[in-house]
Amino acid sequence: DAGITQSPRHKVTETGTPVTLRCHQTENHRYMYWYRQDPGHGLRLIHYSYGVKDTDKGEVSDGYSVSRSKTEDFLLTLESATSSQTSVYFCAISGTGDQPQHFGDGTRLSIL
Amino acid sequence: QQQVKQSPQSLIVQKGGIPIINCAYENTAFDYFPWYQQFPGKGPALLIAIRPDVSEKKEGRFTISFNKSAKQFSLHIMDSQPGDSATYFCAALKGGSEKLVFGKGTKLTVNP
Repeated sequence: DAGITQSPRHKVTETGTPVTLRCHQTENHRYMYWYRQDPGHGLRLIHYSYGVKDTDKGEVSDGYSVSRSKTEDFLLTLESATSSQTSVYFCAISGTGDQPQHFGDGTRLSIL
Repeated sequence: QQQVKQSPQSLIVQKGGIPIINCAYENTAFDYFPWYQQFPGKGPALLIAIRPDVSEKKEGRFTISFNKSAKQFSLHIMDSQPGDSATYFCAALKGGSEKLVFGKGTKLTVNP
C-alpha cells in the first residue's frame, strides 16, 4: 500500500465549526489531492497541490481551503462547516500529474 | 457537464459470470483511462489502466476494451468471484493535466 495516512478517520462536528483534515505521505510524491465522495456523485476533486505552497482549485472548491507547508503533509480546512459538507474525504498522491493516483482510506466527516 | 459517463449504476451477477461496466467520454484530449476498485471503508485502488494506442489490455481476470472511434471503454471481469464485489470507477486524464475525471461508479455484487 502507498504510504498515505489520513487523520482523523472519523469526525462528527457541528455546523459553523472549523474542521481540518490531514493527509500525510511517506512516498515523497510531488502531487497531492483532496476528493470528496458522495452517493451518486462519485469522486469529485476539491483542491490539489503540485508542490510545497503550490495549490490549485478543483471542481468543488467552494467552502474549502488547503495548505501544504511540507512535501509530506496536505491539509484540508473547512473554515465554517455546513451540513452539505458531510461526506467521505479522500486524499490521493502521485509522483507526477500523469501518473496513477494512489488513495488513502478516507475520513468520514459528519456535520450536524 | 459530466465528462465521463459510467453505466450501469449497479450490477448483480452470479459467480463465474462476466460483468461488463461501460464508460463513455466526449473530450478527445483524454489520453489515459484508469479503472479503480473500491471496497467498503477503503480508498479506491488502481486496478488496471489503458492508453488509446491499444484496443485491449488484460491483467489477470480483468480486461479493458477501448474503442477510440466510439469514445468508449469498458471493464470486463472474467470468472467473477464474490470477492470481486466492490464499487468500480472509471476515470480519464487529459494530456498535460493533473486532474483525473471520474465516472460516478458501479456497485458490483457477485453472488455465490
